[in-house]
Amino acid sequence: VVLTQSPRSLSMSPGQGVTLSCTTSESVNSRYLAWYQQIPGQAPRLLISGASTRANGLSDRFSGSGSGTDFTLTISRLEPEDFGVYYCQYTITFGPGTTVDRK
Amino acid sequence: EVRLVESGGGLIQAGGSLRLSCAASGGSGYAFSVHSINWVRQAPGKGLEWVCYISSSARNIFYSDSVRGRFTISRSTATNAVYLHMRSLRVDDTAIYYCARDLCTGGACFTSLGLDLWGQGTAVTVAS
Repeated sequence: VVLTQSPRSLSMSPGQGVTLSCTTSESVNSRYLAWYQQIPGQAPRLLISGASTRANGLSDRFSGSGSGTDFTLTISRLEPEDFGVYYCQYTITFGPGTTVDRK
Repeated sequence: EVRLVESGGGLIQAGGSLRLSCAASGGSGYAFSVHSINWVRQAPGKGLEWVCYISSSARNIFYSDSVRGRFTISRSTATNAVYLHMRSLRVDDTAIYYCARDLCTGGACFTSLGLDLWGQGTAVTVAS
């Protein structure tokens, strides 16, 4: 399975909402779809598993949805600490990432 | 609260070998021993690349095509640690290597459900 993420990068301002896309090359079991955030210089952090289940303690500003081949991660109101790279993962494959930087 | 701590990285000549370790620190050993563990690497300026996976019982072990036959993952119940033996290292193995705990627990795990706990990473540099 090949994962494609779009857009590959975008510039946003704090307070704005953003939706990131992850598309799989074939229909997949959403149970194995996860999203991560990586801030520069830090290890990745799990945000979403099972396509829509938030990790323990994660702000409800983050939400995941999707099924089949199309999955999305939505951040409702960007906070300063949200700027970084976002990766989707399906089983043992990671997508190329989407960079969200500050405008 | 359990943390994962990697060690063993360093500078090595191409063709050489290294052994990375991933140990659980703090919290309950149970919070590590029943989970599958993955190694994920990140080359400088690049994205995440899954490397290998071991289930809690070590019954299920998988490798990426890029490391199969050169890397070996194992785990020890005595030390509650996971190891990555890397042989025939190549320049393109240069990366930060992270161990990451899988959401999947128990003996029926055969793939990743997501990685809920990551170590801080250990850097491996392979020189030509």
